[in-house]
Amino acid sequence: EIVMTQSPATLSVSPGERATLSCRASQSVSNNLAWYHQRPGQAPRLLIYGASTRATGIPARFSGSGSGTEFTLTISSMQSEDFAVYYCQQYDNWLTWTFGQGTKVEIK
Amino acid sequence: QVQLLESGGGVLQPGRSLRLSCAASGFTFSSFGMHWVRQAPGKGLEWVALVWYDGTKDFYADSVKGRFTISRDNSNNTLHLQMNSLRVEDTAVYYCARGLLVPVRGAIPGFYFDNWGQGTLVTVSS
Repeated sequence: EIVMTQSPATLSVSPGERATLSCRASQSVSNNLAWYHQRPGQAPRLLIYGASTRATGIPARFSGSGSGTEFTLTISSMQSEDFAVYYCQQYDNWLTWTFGQGTKVEIK
Repeated sequence: QVQLLESGGGVLQPGRSLRLSCAASGFTFSSFGMHWVRQAPGKGLEWVALVWYDGTKDFYADSVKGRFTISRDNSNNTLHLQMNSLRVEDTAVYYCARGLLVPVRGAIPGFYFDNWGQGTLVTVSS
């Protein structure tokens, strides 16, 4: 099983600031990586797939990068609705599609 | 727009059975692989099961294999999860999710999840 490790566990950011989240895979997943965010009490929402392609309706302030084992999600200017928990997910390994443990982005 | 609405959650004792359902609308249900993903209280996300777009194939995480059965009714746009021999560690919010198939290694597909329901809580406790 591919283990996905996200860092930091918690990130404190002021509104308007940039947020940078990291996700590391225990072995290469090529660019088969997605990012989601989850607001309290809500379902996850797809943000990025293919490591860097924004999903439909996702604002341009969200960007993804990386390949292989190291990935980054950047939110260029944090808005109030962006404070949430963020998960990465690899879909490279058949039937063992795994998520990271999450990064909580909170208001500083 | 795409809507997924789960139902069937509840509180029950270890060893009992429960059937979850997910009503889909707003898209051609029979064209997509459908999944169940769960989230234990305060924890991260865990993929549980996949049923092929036409219902001919189903696949499971090792943690539920032999106990859970995923199925679908394409005539009624409904996804199901039959959960038997429930354990305390199966306590979670269960989400149905639409999977987008990506060929990652030749003919071997990967899935990411572009639409999720709101989830239904299953609590297993003695």
